Amino acid sequence: GENVEQHPSTLSVQEGDSAVIKCTYSDSASNYFPWYKQELGKRPQLIIDIRSNVGEKKDQRIAVTLNKTAKHFSLHITETQPEDSAVYFCAASTGTYKYIFGTGTRLKVLA
Amino acid sequence: GAVVSQHPSRVICKSGTSVKIECRSLDFQATTMFWYRQFPKQSLMLMATSNEGSKATYEQGVEKDKFLINHASLTLSTLTVTSAHPEDSSFYICSARDPLAGPQETQYFGPGTRLLVL
Repeated sequence: GENVEQHPSTLSVQEGDSAVIKCTYSDSASNYFPWYKQELGKRPQLIIDIRSNVGEKKDQRIAVTLNKTAKHFSLHITETQPEDSAVYFCAASTGTYKYIFGTGTRLKVLA
Repeated sequence: GAVVSQHPSRVICKSGTSVKIECRSLDFQATTMFWYRQFPKQSLMLMATSNEGSKATYEQGVEKDKFLINHASLTLSTLTVTSAHPEDSSFYICSARDPLAGPQETQYFGPGTRLLVL
């Protein structure tokens, strides 16, 4: 079955700097890759997603890149702000719509 | 749009009792809902896929007789933890797909239910 690895597990950056989180997946049939942000004790919120027919997608300060050949995708947050501090999860999905989540990255933006 | 609610938000129960958690799609009809479990500082682990009008599909290692799932309507799925034990204490989160809006694959998550079994 699908396996998703996520790195790093924790990441601290200075406010204004960029943050990059990387995920790799094992199932070449995976075709949808969402990223979720979860604050403590709250529900995961979708922040950006990408499909396998696209190499890059951007939404303001957030971008996601996908390398299908290498089976990895990355989240890029530019100009980080304290409110970006949270746990970020990547996920991979095949046509069954099931998500397999990565292990999460705890991002801390230092003011 | 695409709002998912869960009830209760927190529940404390005694070991051996059963607990029911409700997941509702408030403004759309969800033919498929998913149930996840999240232990502290860990990822979301898919437990089962809940299909309206049919039996749920459980992930490997999840006991279907312990975690009963019912999806009787297009807006409601329930998860019952039977004979709960302290090791069942966790954060249970549901999600739902809205097949009529946006990407087919997107899941919208409920706020979660924190279960504590004493």
